[in-house]
Amino acid sequence: DARVTQTPRDKVTEMGQEVTMRCQPILGHNTVFWYRQTMKQGLELLAYFRNRAPLDDSGMPKDRFSAEMPDATLATLKIQPSEPRDSAVYFCASGLGGVNTGELFFGEGSRLTVL
Amino acid sequence: GDSVTQMEGPVTLSEEAFLTINCTYTATGYPSLFWYVQYPGEGLQLLLKATKADDKGSNKGFEATYRKETTSFHLEKGSVQVSDSAVYFCALRLSYNTDKLIFGTGTRLQVFP
Repeated sequence: DARVTQTPRDKVTEMGQEVTMRCQPILGHNTVFWYRQTMKQGLELLAYFRNRAPLDDSGMPKDRFSAEMPDATLATLKIQPSEPRDSAVYFCASGLGGVNTGELFFGEGSRLTVL
Repeated sequence: GDSVTQMEGPVTLSEEAFLTINCTYTATGYPSLFWYVQYPGEGLQLLLKATKADDKGSNKGFEATYRKETTSFHLEKGSVQVSDSAVYFCALRLSYNTDKLIFGTGTRLQVFP
């Protein structure tokens, strides 16, 4: 059963520490998205890639967040330094472009708590 | 700007009751519309979609009709089950060259036996 895999599932860290979240998209999918979910803001798009190229990261605080796709099987989201307001669940999703655009497959999320 | 508005939750129903979750949108052009569902502790899953006006998407007893005249895509189910308890998200994808989805804030459904 093909699925999007995210690590870690849960992360508790101290303010100021670096956090890296990893995502393995479904093999063959050419779009990858990072979303952040909080009770207050709901689902926010942070960044997305098509064919590994970053297309939109306008939702991401550039001073501390960075997103990359070193290869087709790995996407990373890094926060440095982390702050308590970054506490949220971070979802990675992948999909096929073209006629199936909009049909995204989400991972189970990485729950981040920054103390 | 382009946006999706969903009814506030939680929606609380007894098993076998009729469900409606309202969704309206604001968008330029002709967006595609989606409903995603999030079960506790999981990521979102696509429930159904519609790509043009008057299309009806359906899956697992849920259905929604793309109404251009009222800019709506309300989710309905004739008889809910306890297992339908989840958060439901309405979303749109703009028609021009983008893969981005704009999500609503989500509506929590609680079904009691």
